[in-house]
Amino acid sequence: DAGVTQSPTHLIKTRGQQVTLRCSPKSGHDTVSWYQQALGQGPQFIFQYYEEEERQRGNFPDRFSGHQFPNYSSELNVNALLLGDSALYLCASSLVRQNTGELFFGEGSRLTVL
Amino acid sequence: AQTVTQSQPEMSVQEAETVTLSCTYDTSESDYYLFWYKQPPSRQMILVIRQEAYKQQNATENRFSVNFQKAAKSFSLKISDSQLGDAAMYFCAYRSLWETSGSRLTFGEGTQLTVNP
Repeated sequence: DAGVTQSPTHLIKTRGQQVTLRCSPKSGHDTVSWYQQALGQGPQFIFQYYEEEERQRGNFPDRFSGHQFPNYSSELNVNALLLGDSALYLCASSLVRQNTGELFFGEGSRLTVL
Repeated sequence: AQTVTQSQPEMSVQEAETVTLSCTYDTSESDYYLFWYKQPPSRQMILVIRQEAYKQQNATENRFSVNFQKAAKSFSLKISDSQLGDAAMYFCAYRSLWETSGSRLTFGEGTQLTVNP
């Protein structure tokens, strides 16, 4: 049973560039959410996708956008990168009808902005 | 908005001993979930234990148990018979019971646990 997979694992960008991160949810899951984890801090909720629509959004600017595909996989896009966007980006999946709050996380994509 | 606070940035314990990690939270809601997640160096978050606020009984999972004090808004994690594999960053997290689809967790700042042989 495949868990949550994310790609790439590491990447380096320069200020002003754009980046796309990818996530495949755990088999059978239909909801994907994204979290930003700065070094030494707890994860911060970015947004959540269900049925190919953004359902909830945290306190992040419009430079952060996403997409969910019919196979439930998801992308996180960040435009006009800032140094402060350097972080570990975690993808988590869940099943909406299993409303226990438990999320399954991937190993994350480490983004460094120079 | 809910907040979660972990006041212990670092903790250490001897192998086979017991350690307690602290967590407090602030909410105006009466129904919610609380979680402890573990993040080893591999970076993958792993659920350790879950507590529903409407249940008075404290949750237990093998060597892991919680002390849930709803009135005090406190949710501590006790690890018994600590093992080297328990070394990790531990995060306390809150989720509103009424959030649709259940994906929005509010995390604390984390406690780095070291287990000494």
